Amino acid sequence: KAGVTQTPRYLIKTRGQQVTLSCSPISGHRSVSWYQQTPGQGLQFLFEYFSETQRNKGNFPGRFSGRQFSNSRSEMNVSTLELGDSALYLCASSLGRNTGFGPDTQYFGPGTRLTVL
Amino acid sequence: SQQGEEDPQALSIQEGENATMNCSYKTSINNLQWYRQNSGRGLVHLILIRSNEREKHSGRLRVTLDTSKKSSSLLITASRAADTASYFCATCFRDDKIIFGKGTRLHILP
Repeated sequence: KAGVTQTPRYLIKTRGQQVTLSCSPISGHRSVSWYQQTPGQGLQFLFEYFSETQRNKGNFPGRFSGRQFSNSRSEMNVSTLELGDSALYLCASSLGRNTGFGPDTQYFGPGTRLTVL
Repeated sequence: SQQGEEDPQALSIQEGENATMNCSYKTSINNLQWYRQNSGRGLVHLILIRSNEREKHSGRLRVTLDTSKKSSSLLITASRAADTASYFCATCFRDDKIIFGKGTRLHILP
């Protein structure tokens, strides 16, 4: 099976611009989660989509949004970029089942390195 | 904060030695997962341990979970250069939220 893919891998933007990142999950996975990773804050959860619906959301401002398509592919959008948005953005997919023992194993993509100048 | 916290933040050991990393958390969890990340890349899942389990093994990895102490440990035996990476615990809750700690940076010395 192909792994989780993310495009683009690297991106340079300037303050005030907006950006869209894409994630293709493992075939058969219905859940896609997005994380922001920075040296100072570590890995922070942005949101999770399951069957085209946002199921969980982290504590990020409304400039961060996402969506999921019927084929489970997901996009994340950041509007009005700020310098502090520079980070590695990771996408993870899983089956998204509710087993009663918490979330399934997540499989991560290689990430998109966003630099805001 | 519900965040799991790894200890130590950084660890350097000689190749062949065992490495132990710990994770503590504050509220009840449904499961706890350990991940590895090589420099600036995506995370790789290592082991998932459920709240009703006490120990799991996978190759050279051994994970324990003590829910009474709200802590978990990851043991890597007979370390290799390729084990150099950051290791994260992820605490997973009833509402399916997953919270990652800030990680332990492990460096294996030749």
